[in-house]
Amino acid sequence: DQQVKQNSPSLSVQEGRISILNCDYTNSMFDYFLWYKKYPAEGPTFLISISSIKDKNEDGRFTVFLNKSAKHLSLHIVPSQPGDSAVYFCAARDSGGGADGLTFGKGTHLIIQP
Amino acid sequence: DGGITQSPKYLFRKEGQNVTLSCEQNLNHDAMYWYRQDPGQGLRLIYYSQIVNDFQKGDIAEGYSVSREKKESFPLTVTSAQKNPTAFYLCASRITGGPHSPLHFGNGTRLTVT
Repeated sequence: DQQVKQNSPSLSVQEGRISILNCDYTNSMFDYFLWYKKYPAEGPTFLISISSIKDKNEDGRFTVFLNKSAKHLSLHIVPSQPGDSAVYFCAARDSGGGADGLTFGKGTHLIIQP
Repeated sequence: DGGITQSPKYLFRKEGQNVTLSCEQNLNHDAMYWYRQDPGQGLRLIYYSQIVNDFQKGDIAEGYSVSREKKESFPLTVTSAQKNPTAFYLCASRITGGPHSPLHFGNGTRLTVT
């Protein structure tokens, strides 16, 4: 039972345009959401997060939007740059739950085309 | 420079042998985690520890064991009971005292068992 779903395995975007990565979740107890970026053979790097009391969080070129009623979040990257090509993981935590740790989606491979 | 060090980067073992993966952090984080990544899959939680001398099973703990004798160290042993041990293993840590803190990851160990 996948609680965090990233339905697009890959996404191709032209350099300079906006990249939008989507993530859906099923567990209504999740209250903290994060996006990670991962290059091959490296560990994931934390990008940006949002708590469930907010609907938007912005950090430079990265903005995360949260729609709690739809159980959906998205990551916007504007403008997209070649170095943004990587796998992006959506993750979530139920901070009131018994188990610690994050639940991850399967990732979306973002390819920025020159 | 603070961070999480995983060693070695690549590890090869014969089937039936136990193998221990090292994870050391100098971030002074209380909580540490082990995840496993398989191709096309998200990260799955193996074990976590929120405090020295205490640890909890994650979603896929069978065939693995851990110890947490020091705050800085959280080694993972992949035993011969693990049916599919070949994978990319990631160690992470985070500061506690609040639920909304991201995990910081090491660069992983790729284990190949033949």
